[in-house]
Amino acid sequence: AQTVTQSQPEMSVQEAETVTLSCTYDTSESDYYLFWYKQPPSRQMILVIRQEAYKQQNATENRFSVNFQKAAKSFSLKISDSQLGDAAMYFCAYYGQNFVFGPGTRLSVLP
Amino acid sequence: DAMVIQNPRYQVTQFGKPVTLSCSQTLNHNVMYWYQQKSSQAPKLLFHYYDKDFNNEADTPDNFQSRRPNTSFCFLDIRSPGLGDAAMYLCATSRGGYEETQYFGPGTRLLVL
Repeated sequence: AQTVTQSQPEMSVQEAETVTLSCTYDTSESDYYLFWYKQPPSRQMILVIRQEAYKQQNATENRFSVNFQKAAKSFSLKISDSQLGDAAMYFCAYYGQNFVFGPGTRLSVLP
Repeated sequence: DAMVIQNPRYQVTQFGKPVTLSCSQTLNHNVMYWYQQKSSQAPKLLFHYYDKDFNNEADTPDNFQSRRPNTSFCFLDIRSPGLGDAAMYLCATSRGGYEETQYFGPGTRLLVL
């Protein structure tokens, strides 16, 4: 079964600075999808960014970008110009033969 | 706005007393999911419906059942809640399968007394 690891249970960043959240996964498949979901406190989970494994180009969404290293099975999320509203749990997720979330990273943004 | 709605937001039940949580969507998505999320943990997929086809995760307890009477609604039935079933229950939808974006509801927090 596929596994997703997020090695940083908690991270903090100063407002307006850049932070990178790490995610690694274990799979034997060549075709799959990767996601970052954000779950703010007491608010619903939303998709931040999605990457298709067959695409070489790293996905970006405004201040959010990923560094997808397929050979290393790594999918890190970079948040630029961090804002107070970025404070949340961030879950990395994988879909190949099955869908699985990583354990999450709690991000705090310091004013 | 199109959205995923969960009612109620908070539900209190007694040990062993059946409880039903509901989810509705205005997105007209084909797939609806139910997740269980315990404090500070990742959501755990219980099951999903692709249209009327029900798909149960292998480790979902028999105590949990689901119904999807139409495209818009999906229910989670817990037949005999135990203390360990206290959690946040999240409903999500997607247009197609897991490769697509999932849209989540706000969740229902279940307390078992």
